[in-house]
Amino acid sequence: AQSVTQLDSQVPVFEEAPVELRCNYSSSVSVYLFWYVQYPNQGLQLLLKYLSGSTLVKGINGFEAEFNKSQTSFHLRKPSVHISDTAEYFCALPRIFGKGTTLSVSS
Amino acid sequence: EAGVVQSPRYKIIEKKQPVAFWCNPISGHNTLYWYLQNLGQGPELLIRYENEEAVDDSQLPKDRFSAERLKGVDSTLKIQPAELGDSAVYLCASSLEGSTDTQYFGPGTRLTVL
Repeated sequence: AQSVTQLDSQVPVFEEAPVELRCNYSSSVSVYLFWYVQYPNQGLQLLLKYLSGSTLVKGINGFEAEFNKSQTSFHLRKPSVHISDTAEYFCALPRIFGKGTTLSVSS
Repeated sequence: EAGVVQSPRYKIIEKKQPVAFWCNPISGHNTLYWYLQNLGQGPELLIRYENEEAVDDSQLPKDRFSAERLKGVDSTLKIQPAELGDSAVYLCASSLEGSTDTQYFGPGTRLTVL
């Protein structure tokens, strides 16, 4: 069975600080991984995805994620966050989503 | 290019009443998904269409939920009768095809059952 576990339900950080949102997965088939972001009162939109090749994936808005097959992880990182990054972040396998991590950025 | 369109955006009904949600996917997208999202949770797949065919409806509560995608374009999700526990956001998404493709989500329909 496939599953996605987001290890932190809430992550509060100060503006310009680095952030990491953690995601572990379980899959017995080919692994395709996604990070989606949901801003308040908006639909989900893709941040980045890993299909194959380089394990370091760069996405929009300065986010990046690293696929680690041995640790079955796909953690999302940003070196310096902005207030506008405040949102809900979802890690996903195709059609299977984690419960989400709320990133709250304050000044 | 227009995104995924859903209507209505909000719906309030009494329990035991029927309700329907409509979705128009991005033009040319063969795959259409309906998800349910409870507060504080991630989306949960209800049904996936490839063109007109429902290829995965294993999570759809078929005693009260039904869906259709006539002509392989827009889709309707129906609940009859609605229960209190059905209060949630119903999301529609579309993709070109396949597991590797990005899903594009609509804004969702927030259903409140009283």
